Amino acid sequence: GNSVTQMEGPVTLSEEAFLTINCTYTATGYPSLFWYVQYPGEGLQLLLKATKADDKGSNKGFEATYRKETTSFHLEKGSVQVSDSAVYFCALSDWGGSEKLVFGKGMKLTVNP
Amino acid sequence: GAVVSQHPSRVICKSGTSVKIECRSLDFQATTMFWYRQFPKKSLMLMATSNEGSKATYEQGVEKDKFLINHASLTLSTLTVTSAHPEDSSFYICSAWNSAEVHEQFFGPGTRLTVL
Repeated sequence: GNSVTQMEGPVTLSEEAFLTINCTYTATGYPSLFWYVQYPGEGLQLLLKATKADDKGSNKGFEATYRKETTSFHLEKGSVQVSDSAVYFCALSDWGGSEKLVFGKGMKLTVNP
Repeated sequence: GAVVSQHPSRVICKSGTSVKIECRSLDFQATTMFWYRQFPKKSLMLMATSNEGSKATYEQGVEKDKFLINHASLTLSTLTVTSAHPEDSSFYICSAWNSAEVHEQFFGPGTRLTVL
């Protein structure tokens, strides 16, 4: 079956630090890959996505590249801000994001000023 | 993005009682709603897929008689935890999706259920 493994944290960084959150997956088909973010007290929001190999998703300074050869979708940001403090979930779906999502365990990030 | 609400945000109940959780899509029509359960330090686990006007499809291992799901309209799905027990205590999250418009699931803020 499909599964997602990601760094769990929690992680604490100083403002302007570089962020990498590793995510690898196993899938029987050709999945779409997602990063969701959950800010305190709010629901999950789609941060970025990629639907095919070598696609790069980007949003709010975050980037992730769909690497089929390494089955990975690592999230990066060059300079984090306090407002990036949240829980980050890597996820996959079998098709287009409209089918069932399989999530990683989530990683809590705290950014200190 | 579209807004999905859940009510209540927190509920505490006694063992043996039933609890209903509502999930509403506020500004779009949701042909499909998903119900997830999240344990501490665990990922979200899909419980069931709910399509408007039809019976929900439950994931393996989820008791359909315990977790009753109703999707009576395009903006409302309900999850009823029947005869709740302490092990049902968890964080329940819904998401909503409209296949005809946007291929993205929009998530509610979640409901914290505590069964005493």
